[in-house]
Amino acid sequence: NAGVMQNPRHLVRRRGQEARLRCSPMKGHSHVYWYRQLPEEGLKFMVYLQKENIIDESGMPKERFSAEFPKEGPSILRIQQVVRGDSAAYFCASSPVTSALGDTQYFGPGTRLTVL
Amino acid sequence: GNSVTQMEGPVTLSEEAFLTINCTYTATGYPSLFWYVQYPGEGLQLLLKATKADDKGSNKGFEATYRKETTSFHLEKGSVQVSDSAVYFCALQRNQGGSEKLVFGKGTKLTVNP
Repeated sequence: NAGVMQNPRHLVRRRGQEARLRCSPMKGHSHVYWYRQLPEEGLKFMVYLQKENIIDESGMPKERFSAEFPKEGPSILRIQQVVRGDSAAYFCASSPVTSALGDTQYFGPGTRLTVL
Repeated sequence: GNSVTQMEGPVTLSEEAFLTINCTYTATGYPSLFWYVQYPGEGLQLLLKATKADDKGSNKGFEATYRKETTSFHLEKGSVQVSDSAVYFCALQRNQGGSEKLVFGKGTKLTVNP
């Protein structure tokens, strides 16, 4: 059973470009979470999605960031007009359909975004 | 709001030493508590968890007990190995409006020397 997959693993963008980060959850999982890890910091929640629905986006910056989880295909975290402060590791996690409290979230390897 | 405070690192130990990493939390209600481990260049892996007061989570020689009276979930291991060198994150989870997002501490970097 493949784990959570993220691609690309490393992404370099120049200021003002767009970054698209992809996450394929574990088989059978329909809940996806995105977290951001700044250097020397813990992970901060960004957004929680189920198929075709955003459930909680309380951690998303108000501008330039968006996320989707379509009926078919991976979840996408999109950052428009990137700035140097967006440089971080972005992790995706998935959990099974029950998603009860205490359900484990399984993390992908992350995408490390560098903005030049 | 919900928050997690971990002891600051880095922590450096010799092989076979005893490990404690302190973790305390602030939350309303009854959160679930987790320890995740991150090896260099990798994502987070669940190490152990506890979902109610007095529960003890354990895995690979690591243990942590959910103490509601002290709002703590300290991680312990009796004899560390070089392979335990990693960053350890304490986290809590509460259901808020249907969202089970995790709230993480800043992480504690552990280095174990031979």
